[in-house]
Amino acid sequence: GNSVTQMEGPVTLSEEAFLTINCTYTATGYPSLFWYVQYPGEGLQLLLKATKADDKGSNKGFEATYRKETTSFHLEKGSVQVSDSAVYFCALSDRETGANNLFFGTGTRLTVIP
Amino acid sequence: DSGVTQTPKHLITATGQRVTLRCSPRSGDLSVYWYQQSLDQGLQFLIHYYNGEERAKGNILERFSAQQFPDLHSELNLSSLELGDSALYFCASSEWGDQETQYFGPGTRLLVL
Repeated sequence: GNSVTQMEGPVTLSEEAFLTINCTYTATGYPSLFWYVQYPGEGLQLLLKATKADDKGSNKGFEATYRKETTSFHLEKGSVQVSDSAVYFCALSDRETGANNLFFGTGTRLTVIP
Repeated sequence: DSGVTQTPKHLITATGQRVTLRCSPRSGDLSVYWYQQSLDQGLQFLIHYYNGEERAKGNILERFSAQQFPDLHSELNLSSLELGDSALYFCASSEWGDQETQYFGPGTRLLVL
């Protein structure tokens, strides 16, 4: 089946620290991979995506590389800001079924302190 | 702002009642997805509609139903409500040319007392 495993949170970092949030997946087919971010009191926003092996998605200083050999899609940012405090969700879309619905990880709460 | 709208923003009701949540997709998007976010189950896919037709079902209870209307807005109906149905319900839409990329609305927070 399809599933996504994210590192347990919460994660607390000082401003300008390096961020890594681990994400691994299991999929029946060849999925597309996504990171979504949820700011307090808001809906989910697409942060970045990658659709095939070795693709790198990037946005707002965040990056993630689709690693088929390790079934991973870890999120990284070189220097976090207080405004990055949010919950981050890793997700996959199973293109095999054609349903296109997303399977989400449990989310990782990030708090950045000044 | 994703362009997806959901109403109401908050809903408080009692066990055994029925409610309807409404979603308007982004202009031009034909697909609508419903998701439930709860503390114990996380974010779960409920159902997907494309241009008025049901395309896929996830972990949707039989007490729940949905439809998509000719103007492409969608409604999620929740009946015989239980305390455990308290959750955030999100709607998302996607365009025909890139159905994998979904844009989420702000959600409806349902509290069942």
